[in-house]
Amino acid sequence: NAGVTQTPKFRILKIGQSMTLQCAQDMNHNYMYWYRQDPGMGLKLIYYSVGAGITDKGEVPNGYNVSRSTTEDFPLRLELAAPSQTSVYFCASRMDMGQGAEAFFGQGTRLTVV
Amino acid sequence: AQKITQTQPGMFVQEKEAVTLDCTYDTSDQSYGLFWYKQPSSGEMIFLIYQGSYDEQNATEGRYSLNFQKARKSANLVISASQLGDSAMYFCAMREGWKGGGNKLTFGTGTQLKVEL
Repeated sequence: NAGVTQTPKFRILKIGQSMTLQCAQDMNHNYMYWYRQDPGMGLKLIYYSVGAGITDKGEVPNGYNVSRSTTEDFPLRLELAAPSQTSVYFCASRMDMGQGAEAFFGQGTRLTVV
Repeated sequence: AQKITQTQPGMFVQEKEAVTLDCTYDTSDQSYGLFWYKQPSSGEMIFLIYQGSYDEQNATEGRYSLNFQKARKSANLVISASQLGDSAMYFCAMREGWKGGGNKLTFGTGTQLKVEL
């Protein structure tokens, strides 16, 4: 059981380049989340989705876009990379079963923008 | 306003002793959930324990227990009999209901725990 899979694990981008961070889960979870974690800091919510076709902004959505065409996949798009987007990105998913379902996390993508 | 506040950026504890990591939260929802996650130096996020707002008993999972004080809006993590492998960053998180924003999961800034011999 793969759980939540993020690709790539590491990436270096030049300023102004674009890329898509991939996230896939095989647990049939409705809820999916993208977070960024800056060095020594907590996780800040970028975007989240409560089901296929439904997405919403989190705390720090500027510079990012998401889509959710299937239950399994929740890609995060960076259109014009900036040094401020250097961070570790985590994708997470959880089941829609009320209060208790914990979020399962991917291994993270370490992105450096130079 | 911070939804989740962890006021201890770093904590030290002697091996085999107990340690309490503080977490306070802010929500106007009646229905919410509180989580603790562990992040070792390798970077993955490991779920530890969960407490629902309507749960009357404090949650326990092995050496982890959650000291839930609803009136004070606190959800402190207690680790008993600390082990060297407990050295990690610990995050408190809250899931609010629809009123709080549609099942968002909000994290605190974390507490770095170091277990010493």
